[in-house]
Amino acid sequence: KNEVEQSPQNLTAQEGEFITINCSYSVGISALHWLQQHPGGGIVSLFMLSSGKKKHGRLIATINIQEKHSSLHITASHPRDSAVYICAVPNYGGSQGNLIFGKGTKLSVKP
Amino acid sequence: DGGITQSPKYLFRKEGQNVTLSCEQNLNHDAMYWYRQDPGQGLRLIYYSQIVNDFQKGDIAEGYSVSREKKESFPLTVTSAQKNPTAFYLCASSQGTSGRIPTGELFFGEGSRLTVL
Repeated sequence: KNEVEQSPQNLTAQEGEFITINCSYSVGISALHWLQQHPGGGIVSLFMLSSGKKKHGRLIATINIQEKHSSLHITASHPRDSAVYICAVPNYGGSQGNLIFGKGTKLSVKP
Repeated sequence: DGGITQSPKYLFRKEGQNVTLSCEQNLNHDAMYWYRQDPGQGLRLIYYSQIVNDFQKGDIAEGYSVSREKKESFPLTVTSAQKNPTAFYLCASSQGTSGRIPTGELFFGEGSRLTVL
């Protein structure tokens, strides 16, 4: 069964700082999801990636398939980036396969 | 704008009552999912549907029921058999699915928070 670990659990940063959130998993995968859950509860998909790096605005996601590790970076952080960031990986197992969600990293960016 | 609409945002249930959470999407996605979120835990799959008129149990289906009579709609009923229904419920969709694993980007609604009185 695939296990997913996120670090850190909580992160406080000053506006403008460079942020890194990490996600490690135990079994090889085809693709990994990065999601953002804003304070109201709704979730937005940020990235779905299977190799290399993707960039969208100030957000950058990288994945190292060999090391089973992905990072989400936020450049020039802003208070509106305050949210819970969740990574999700597939757990293959035939009809019992599933998407496994991490517990999330709660980010708070102070002005 | 395309997206997923969940209602109601907040819902209170008395003991012994069934309640239904609505989920509507206009993304033309075949696959739809219901997840439950509890404090400090990752999302868990309740039910999923790969195509209209078909749905399958997820990891925690006991005490819940769903229907998929239209492509756009995937309502979730929390029955009185669900012993601990207080939670945050999220509906999602994707273009396709391989069993219970979305094969494309996931799109989520804003969620419904259910509280048992």
